[in-house]
Amino acid sequence: DTGVSQNPRHKITKRGQNVTFRCDPISEHNRLYWYRQTLGQGPEFLTYFQNEAQLEKSRLLSDRFSAERPKGSFSTLEIQRTEQGDSAMYLCASSLVSQGGHSPLHFGNGTRLTVT
Amino acid sequence: QKEVEQNSGPLSVPEGAIASLNCTYSDRGSQSFFWYRQYSGKSPELIMFIYSNGDKEDGRFTAQLNKASQYVSLLIRDSQPSDSATYLCAVNGDYKLSFGAGTTVTVRA
Repeated sequence: DTGVSQNPRHKITKRGQNVTFRCDPISEHNRLYWYRQTLGQGPEFLTYFQNEAQLEKSRLLSDRFSAERPKGSFSTLEIQRTEQGDSAMYLCASSLVSQGGHSPLHFGNGTRLTVT
Repeated sequence: QKEVEQNSGPLSVPEGAIASLNCTYSDRGSQSFFWYRQYSGKSPELIMFIYSNGDKEDGRFTAQLNKASQYVSLLIRDSQPSDSATYLCAVNGDYKLSFGAGTTVTVRA
């Protein structure tokens, strides 16, 4: 178990640029989640995948945001035409869902995005 | 009404004392409840989960769940300076965890 890995750790970009983040989940986990966290708030759900299928997106998620999980392994989160309000910590988490139940979410170290 | 609400902090306790953290949730159908600890600038790390009414103890941590009152709490006994962090309550819905805003705990040496 090498844990959830996220890259990059930090990203500074100018308003209007596109950015892409990557998440590698724990290998045996079949669910992958993206959350966003701003200062003083708890993580806010963005979207999740079960294997390669994206099953739910937050209605708060702008259409500038898109996520993929090809082949049910790693996932990418892309933000197009970034805005200053996108500045946040982007957290990826994974879990295992089986007939036996649902394991807790395990978070990666996050990607901190700063839009200038 | 927010899905998950936590008592407002910050909470300051002396070293060796008990820190008590509270959380209420709105979805009566929730079945799983989690406490995460988050150090400044770091990601949340799981410290406890509880599924059944009553108490669950793990070392210096005790989680308490009352589904009828839609209430979950976390007690930290013999608080240490290393316990200074933000504690996040999370509740499992149909497919996602919903988080509270967190309670920041400071343990005074």
